[in-house]
Amino acid sequence: GAVVSQHPSWVICKSGTSVKIECRSLDFQATTMFWYRQFPKQSLMLMATSNEGSKATYEQGVEKDKFLINHASLTLSTLTVTSAHPEDSSFYICSASSGTSAREQFFGPGTRLTVL
Amino acid sequence: QKEVEQNSGPLSVPEGAIASLNCTYSDRVSQSFFWYRQYSGKSPELIMSIYSNGDKEDGRFTAQLNKASQYVSLLIRDSQPSDSATYLCAVNRDGNNRLAFGKGNQVVVIP
Repeated sequence: GAVVSQHPSWVICKSGTSVKIECRSLDFQATTMFWYRQFPKQSLMLMATSNEGSKATYEQGVEKDKFLINHASLTLSTLTVTSAHPEDSSFYICSASSGTSAREQFFGPGTRLTVL
Repeated sequence: QKEVEQNSGPLSVPEGAIASLNCTYSDRVSQSFFWYRQYSGKSPELIMSIYSNGDKEDGRFTAQLNKASQYVSLLIRDSQPSDSATYLCAVNRDGNNRLAFGKGNQVVVIP
Protein backbone atom coordinates (compact mmCIF):
# COMPACT_ATOMS: atom_id res chain seq x y z
CA GLY A 1 0.00 0.00 0.00
CA ALA A 2 0.81 3.72 -0.07
CA VAL A 3 2.37 3.78 -3.52
CA VAL A 4 3.09 7.09 -5.20
CA SER A 5 4.19 7.38 -8.81
CA GLN A 6 5.75 10.22 -10.74
CA HIS A 7 6.02 10.84 -14.44
CA PRO A 8 8.36 11.38 -16.13
CA SER A 9 11.26 9.92 -14.18
CA TRP A 10 13.65 12.20 -16.02
CA VAL A 11 13.36 15.00 -18.53
CA ILE A 12 15.77 17.16 -20.49
CA CYS A 13 14.49 20.40 -21.91
CA LYS A 14 15.74 23.58 -23.50
CA SER A 15 15.94 26.81 -21.57
CA GLY A 16 12.70 28.78 -21.79
CA THR A 17 10.40 25.82 -22.22
CA SER A 18 7.86 24.52 -19.69
CA VAL A 19 7.87 21.08 -18.15
CA LYS A 20 4.97 19.30 -16.43
CA ILE A 21 5.54 16.63 -13.79
CA GLU A 22 2.71 14.37 -12.64
CA CYS A 23 2.36 12.83 -9.20
CA ARG A 24 -0.20 10.10 -8.58
CA SER A 25 -1.24 8.17 -5.51
CA LEU A 26 -1.98 4.68 -6.84
CA ASP A 27 -3.71 2.88 -3.99
CA PHE A 28 -5.01 5.58 -1.69
CA GLN A 29 -6.67 8.95 -1.83
CA ALA A 30 -4.19 11.69 -1.09
CA THR A 31 -5.82 14.53 0.77
CA THR A 32 -2.55 16.43 0.66
CA MET A 33 0.39 16.31 -1.70
CA PHE A 34 3.73 17.99 -1.24
CA TRP A 35 6.38 19.03 -3.75
CA TYR A 36 10.05 19.05 -2.84
CA ARG A 37 13.24 19.94 -4.63
CA GLN A 38 16.61 18.41 -3.89
CA PHE A 39 19.92 19.67 -5.21
CA PRO A 40 22.97 17.36 -5.24
CA LYS A 41 24.36 16.60 -1.78
CA GLN A 42 21.62 18.65 -0.15
CA SER A 43 18.50 17.78 1.75
CA LEU A 44 14.92 18.04 0.60
CA MET A 45 13.44 21.51 0.47
CA LEU A 46 9.67 21.81 0.60
CA MET A 47 8.38 23.94 -2.26
CA ALA A 48 4.63 23.82 -1.73
CA THR A 49 1.72 22.03 -0.12
CA SER A 50 -1.24 21.08 -2.27
CA ASN A 51 -4.73 20.16 -1.10
CA GLU A 52 -7.27 18.75 -3.53
CA GLY A 53 -9.52 21.41 -4.96
CA SER A 54 -7.75 24.38 -3.45
CA LYS A 55 -4.81 26.59 -4.28
CA ALA A 56 -1.37 25.41 -3.31
CA THR A 57 0.47 26.99 -0.42
CA TYR A 58 4.00 27.94 -1.39
CA GLU A 59 7.00 28.14 0.89
CA GLN A 60 8.80 31.41 1.32
CA GLY A 61 11.06 32.14 -1.62
CA VAL A 62 9.30 29.82 -4.07
CA GLU A 63 7.79 31.67 -7.04
CA LYS A 64 4.21 30.54 -7.48
CA ASP A 65 4.05 31.89 -11.03
CA LYS A 66 7.09 29.87 -12.01
CA PHE A 67 6.13 26.62 -10.29
CA LEU A 68 2.46 26.04 -11.08
CA ILE A 69 0.76 23.39 -9.00
CA ASN A 70 -2.61 21.84 -9.75
CA HIS A 71 -4.31 19.28 -7.52
CA ALA A 72 -7.43 18.44 -9.47
CA SER A 73 -8.29 15.12 -7.85
CA LEU A 74 -7.49 13.05 -4.77
CA THR A 75 -5.02 10.98 -6.76
CA LEU A 76 -3.28 13.49 -9.02
CA SER A 77 -1.19 16.60 -8.55
CA THR A 78 0.92 18.28 -11.23
CA LEU A 79 3.88 20.62 -11.03
CA THR A 80 4.67 22.75 -14.07
CA VAL A 81 8.03 24.47 -14.22
CA THR A 82 7.43 27.43 -16.50
CA SER A 83 10.15 29.08 -18.57
CA ALA A 84 12.73 26.70 -17.16
CA HIS A 85 16.34 27.81 -16.81
CA PRO A 86 19.50 25.84 -16.05
CA GLU A 87 19.31 26.80 -12.38
CA ASP A 88 15.97 24.94 -12.19
CA SER A 89 17.79 21.69 -12.92
CA SER A 90 17.18 19.53 -9.87
CA PHE A 91 15.54 16.40 -8.50
CA TYR A 92 11.84 17.09 -7.97
CA ILE A 93 10.03 14.76 -5.60
CA CYS A 94 6.38 14.64 -4.62
CA SER A 95 4.89 13.04 -1.57
CA ALA A 96 1.37 12.29 -0.49
CA SER A 97 -0.47 11.74 2.74
CA SER A 98 -3.88 10.23 3.24
CA GLY A 99 -6.69 10.86 5.67
CA THR A 100 -6.17 7.50 7.35
CA SER A 101 -2.49 8.09 8.14
CA ALA A 102 -2.23 11.78 7.61
CA ARG A 103 0.99 12.31 9.53
CA GLU A 104 3.06 10.03 7.32
CA GLN A 105 4.19 11.09 3.88
CA PHE A 106 4.95 8.62 1.14
CA PHE A 107 7.30 9.72 -1.58
CA GLY A 108 7.20 9.25 -5.31
CA PRO A 109 10.35 8.08 -7.11
CA GLY A 110 11.28 11.60 -8.19
CA THR A 111 11.81 13.38 -11.48
CA ARG A 112 15.25 14.50 -12.53
CA LEU A 113 15.01 17.70 -14.55
CA THR A 114 17.92 18.93 -16.64
CA VAL A 115 17.56 22.28 -18.37
CA LEU A 116 20.07 22.94 -21.13
CA GLN B 1 19.47 27.57 14.53
CA LYS B 2 18.26 25.26 11.78
CA GLU B 3 14.90 23.61 12.25
CA VAL B 4 16.35 20.11 12.08
CA GLU B 5 20.02 19.38 12.64
CA GLN B 6 21.98 16.29 11.86
CA ASN B 7 25.55 17.19 12.53
CA SER B 8 27.46 13.95 12.31
CA GLY B 9 29.62 13.35 9.29
CA PRO B 10 29.64 10.11 7.29
CA LEU B 11 29.37 7.09 9.58
CA SER B 12 31.28 3.93 8.77
CA VAL B 13 30.31 0.80 10.67
CA PRO B 14 31.39 -2.81 10.24
CA GLU B 15 28.79 -5.31 9.17
CA GLY B 16 26.88 -6.62 12.16
CA ALA B 17 27.57 -3.58 14.33
CA ILE B 18 25.13 -0.94 15.58
CA ALA B 19 24.81 2.35 13.71
CA SER B 20 23.62 5.28 15.81
CA LEU B 21 22.23 8.46 14.27
CA ASN B 22 21.16 11.61 16.10
CA CYS B 23 18.90 14.52 15.29
CA THR B 24 17.85 17.65 17.15
CA TYR B 25 15.02 20.01 16.32
CA SER B 26 14.21 23.56 17.28
CA ASP B 27 10.40 23.77 17.34
CA ARG B 28 9.05 22.62 20.70
CA VAL B 29 5.51 22.18 19.34
CA SER B 30 6.56 19.49 16.86
CA GLN B 31 4.59 16.31 17.43
CA SER B 32 5.63 13.92 14.68
CA PHE B 33 9.10 12.63 13.89
CA PHE B 34 10.31 10.47 11.05
CA TRP B 35 13.38 8.74 9.76
CA TYR B 36 13.72 8.26 6.02
CA ARG B 37 16.33 6.27 4.14
CA GLN B 38 17.54 7.58 0.80
CA TYR B 39 19.73 5.63 -1.56
CA SER B 40 21.85 7.60 -4.00
CA GLY B 41 19.74 8.88 -6.88
CA LYS B 42 16.51 7.65 -5.34
CA SER B 43 13.71 9.28 -3.38
CA PRO B 44 13.34 8.91 0.41
CA GLU B 45 11.70 5.84 1.88
CA LEU B 46 9.95 6.01 5.25
CA ILE B 47 11.48 3.57 7.72
CA MET B 48 10.30 4.82 11.12
CA SER B 49 7.79 7.22 12.60
CA ILE B 50 7.58 8.12 16.28
CA TYR B 51 5.15 10.37 18.08
CA SER B 52 5.61 9.67 21.81
CA ASN B 53 8.56 9.92 24.14
CA GLY B 54 10.52 6.72 24.53
CA ASP B 55 11.62 3.95 22.21
CA LYS B 56 9.91 2.41 19.23
CA GLU B 57 11.29 -0.74 17.68
CA ASP B 58 10.64 -2.13 14.22
CA GLY B 59 12.81 -5.03 13.21
CA ARG B 60 16.44 -3.96 13.32
CA PHE B 61 15.51 -0.29 13.70
CA THR B 62 14.84 1.54 16.97
CA ALA B 63 13.79 5.17 17.14
CA GLN B 64 14.16 7.10 20.37
CA LEU B 65 12.37 10.35 21.12
CA ASN B 66 12.97 12.82 23.93
CA LYS B 67 10.73 15.85 23.51
CA ALA B 68 12.13 17.62 26.58
CA SER B 69 15.59 17.57 25.03
CA GLN B 70 14.20 18.01 21.49
CA TYR B 71 16.15 14.99 20.38
CA VAL B 72 15.35 12.00 18.22
CA SER B 73 17.70 9.18 17.33
CA LEU B 74 17.81 6.06 15.20
CA LEU B 75 19.65 2.85 15.97
CA ILE B 76 20.30 0.24 13.31
CA ARG B 77 21.20 -3.11 14.82
CA ASP B 78 23.08 -5.85 12.98
CA SER B 79 23.99 -3.42 10.21
CA GLN B 80 23.98 -4.87 6.70
CA PRO B 81 25.67 -3.58 3.54
CA SER B 82 22.17 -2.86 2.21
CA ASP B 83 21.76 -0.33 5.03
CA SER B 84 24.40 1.86 3.34
CA ALA B 85 22.45 5.01 2.48
CA THR B 86 21.72 8.53 3.66
CA TYR B 87 19.33 8.74 6.58
CA LEU B 88 17.14 11.81 6.81
CA CYS B 89 15.50 13.01 9.98
CA ALA B 90 12.20 14.84 9.44
CA VAL B 91 10.01 16.76 11.86
CA ASN B 92 6.52 18.06 11.26
CA ARG B 93 6.31 21.83 11.32
CA ASP B 94 2.64 22.42 11.95
CA GLY B 95 -0.80 20.87 11.84
CA ASN B 96 -0.72 20.75 8.04
CA ASN B 97 1.88 17.98 8.18
CA ARG B 98 4.58 20.03 6.49
CA LEU B 99 7.93 18.43 7.15
CA ALA B 100 11.32 19.97 7.77
CA PHE B 101 14.24 17.73 6.88
CA GLY B 102 17.74 17.56 8.25
CA LYS B 103 20.63 17.45 5.82
CA GLY B 104 21.03 13.72 6.36
CA ASN B 105 23.70 11.36 7.63
CA GLN B 106 25.49 9.02 5.27
CA VAL B 107 25.98 5.52 6.63
CA VAL B 108 28.47 3.13 5.09
CA VAL B 109 28.38 -0.48 6.26
CA ILE B 110 31.67 -2.21 5.62
CA PRO B 111 31.44 -5.95 4.85
